[in-house]
Amino acid sequence: QVHLLESGPGLLQPSQTLSLVCTVSGGSISRGVSYWSWIRQLPGQGLEWIGYIYHNGLTYYNPSLESRGNISVATSKNQFSLTLTSVTAADTAVYYCARLRGDAFDMWGQGTMVIVSS
Amino acid sequence: EIVLTQSPATLSLSPGERATLSCRASESVRSSLAWYQQKPGQAPRLLIYDASYRATGIPGRFSGSGSGTDFTLTISSLESEDFAVYYCQQRTNWLSFGGGTKVEIK
Repeated sequence: QVHLLESGPGLLQPSQTLSLVCTVSGGSISRGVSYWSWIRQLPGQGLEWIGYIYHNGLTYYNPSLESRGNISVATSKNQFSLTLTSVTAADTAVYYCARLRGDAFDMWGQGTMVIVSS
Repeated sequence: EIVLTQSPATLSLSPGERATLSCRASESVRSSLAWYQQKPGQAPRLLIYDASYRATGIPGRFSGSGSGTDFTLTISSLESEDFAVYYCQQRTNWLSFGGGTKVEIK
């Protein structure tokens, strides 16, 4: 059974860069036709797709991020990462990593809360 | 961008009742629609993919239907653990989620 686990700082100041890592266990990130994804949920709100990456490095991003986001993959570590530059309070959210298989997210991490505050 | 509109925003029902949740897309997503359940403090869980296929381990009381722009998630007989928020999601044109329907105990 594949498991995903997010890690990263819980608190940032405005204008800093957010860096999160998702560690995948129970299966290789390089196998199959899965895309590895980041999704966030603002407090009390719905889900927002950030982007996803294939193991060869091919990426797709939500245009609403205005090029602030970057997703990378480290196949040797079975990890993928999210960086989000110039964060503001509007980036305060729970960030999830998830596996996109076909057109649906079939496996999710537990989520990590990120607060942006001065 | 395809906008997914879920209705109603809140559904108040009793255990044992039938729940019918709607998701409408601003343009056709063919059958590329998924449904998720989210409980407080938890990550979403995939229920239905490709509009009508139950994900692994999902009870038979959950069913999905529809194609094109109109989709329905039906819970045939609500159990206590089914009271949660439900989201739909498409990946035909980029990727987007609906705003969610909260199923609460009446």
